[in-house]
Amino acid sequence: DAMVIQNPRYQVTQFGKPVTLSCSQTLNHNVMYWYQQKSSQAPKLLFHYYDKDFNNEADTPDNFQSRRPNTSFCFLDIRSPGLGDAAMYLCATSRDREADTQYFGPGTRLTVL
Amino acid sequence: QKEVEQNSGPLSVPEGAIASLNCTYSDRGSQSFFWYRQYSGKSPELIMSIYSNGDKEDGRFTAQLNKASQYVSLLIRDSQPSDSATYLCAVNIGPYFGNEKLTFGTGTRLTIIP
Repeated sequence: DAMVIQNPRYQVTQFGKPVTLSCSQTLNHNVMYWYQQKSSQAPKLLFHYYDKDFNNEADTPDNFQSRRPNTSFCFLDIRSPGLGDAAMYLCATSRDREADTQYFGPGTRLTVL
Repeated sequence: QKEVEQNSGPLSVPEGAIASLNCTYSDRGSQSFFWYRQYSGKSPELIMSIYSNGDKEDGRFTAQLNKASQYVSLLIRDSQPSDSATYLCAVNIGPYFGNEKLTFGTGTRLTIIP
């Protein structure tokens, strides 16, 4: 089945220790997104790629970076995680333009100690 | 401030009854509307998309859109305990066509009472 896969599902890191989350998709979608969702809050868009074109949200902290080496994979790098970065990180994809239907992966729960 | 608003609930509905979830949005130019279901600790799962005024039915789910009043709703018929979840309304909001961003409401927590 075509799908969006995220690894790991649970990630524990120490304060200030860099961490990388990964997302892969077999849908062959052009657009990939990274969201941050904290408890009882709406998903917050961090950035997205339209093919290789990177789009950063204005309020995304510099601590967060992303890479998309090819169509199938996208990575979220958190350079120096703080306690406030503990959250669920969601990867989503859409076939085409930004307003198209988005399909989410299972998410990665990040804990910062 | 462009936004999407939902009643956070919790909304409690007896099993077998109709659950009605509502959402209002601020951008009159929005064209795409989505309902996602999110179980606790899980990721959002697409339930319905709707683009035109009126009703769209899919099984026990019906989405209703009224662009003039800027609201979209989701009806769940014959509610089941497995429908207990948070329902996220999402609307594309943006400066111009093709450069929208999917904006989520904070969700309505629905509990189906057996």
